[in-house]
Amino acid sequence: AQRVTQPEKLLSVFKGAPVELKCNYSYSGSPELFWYVQYSRQRLQLLLRHISRESIKGFTADLNKGETSFHLKKPFAQEEDSAMYYCALRLGSGNTGKLIFGQGTTLQVKP
Amino acid sequence: DSGVTQTPKHLITATGQRVTLRCSPRSGDLSVYWYQQSLDQGLQFLIQYYNGEERAKGNILERFSAQQFPDLHSELNLSSLELGDSALYFCASSNPSGGADTQYFGPGTRLTVL
Repeated sequence: AQRVTQPEKLLSVFKGAPVELKCNYSYSGSPELFWYVQYSRQRLQLLLRHISRESIKGFTADLNKGETSFHLKKPFAQEEDSAMYYCALRLGSGNTGKLIFGQGTTLQVKP
Repeated sequence: DSGVTQTPKHLITATGQRVTLRCSPRSGDLSVYWYQQSLDQGLQFLIQYYNGEERAKGNILERFSAQQFPDLHSELNLSSLELGDSALYFCASSNPSGGADTQYFGPGTRLTVL
């Protein structure tokens, strides 16, 4: 079955420390993976797409098909990074698709 | 601003009632998706429409229904409401023909059933 797992419910770090938010997926096809961020139960904002291999707000994520992981990393956390982070897997093709979300990880960056 | 709009922002109603949530997608996006976010279930996909047609269905209750109109806005109808339907309902839109099918989310409608 298709599944996204974010093993940490809460990750607490100090400002300036490195951050790694874990995401593992289960999917037999070719995965399309995303990271979304949600500040204080507001709208979900797209942070990263694995296909674009970009860096947004200092965050990067690399798809590791061997380990079926798509961990989100940032070398130096900032207080404004405190938010809920969701890893998502897109299922479907063409004009049909849905996102399967992990349970989310709350990142708390302490001063 | 992602451009997806949702109304109303908040909705408070009683058990047994029926409500309609509205979503307007980003300009040019043909696909609309509905998701439910609750504390116990997390973010769950409900249903997808593409250019007026239903394309994918998730864990959507029979009491819930949706449609997408010719102007591409969508409505999610929730009936015979129960306390457990209290949640944040998000709409997202995308343009699959653009290659990468990235979904952009609206601000959500917070439904409280008393």
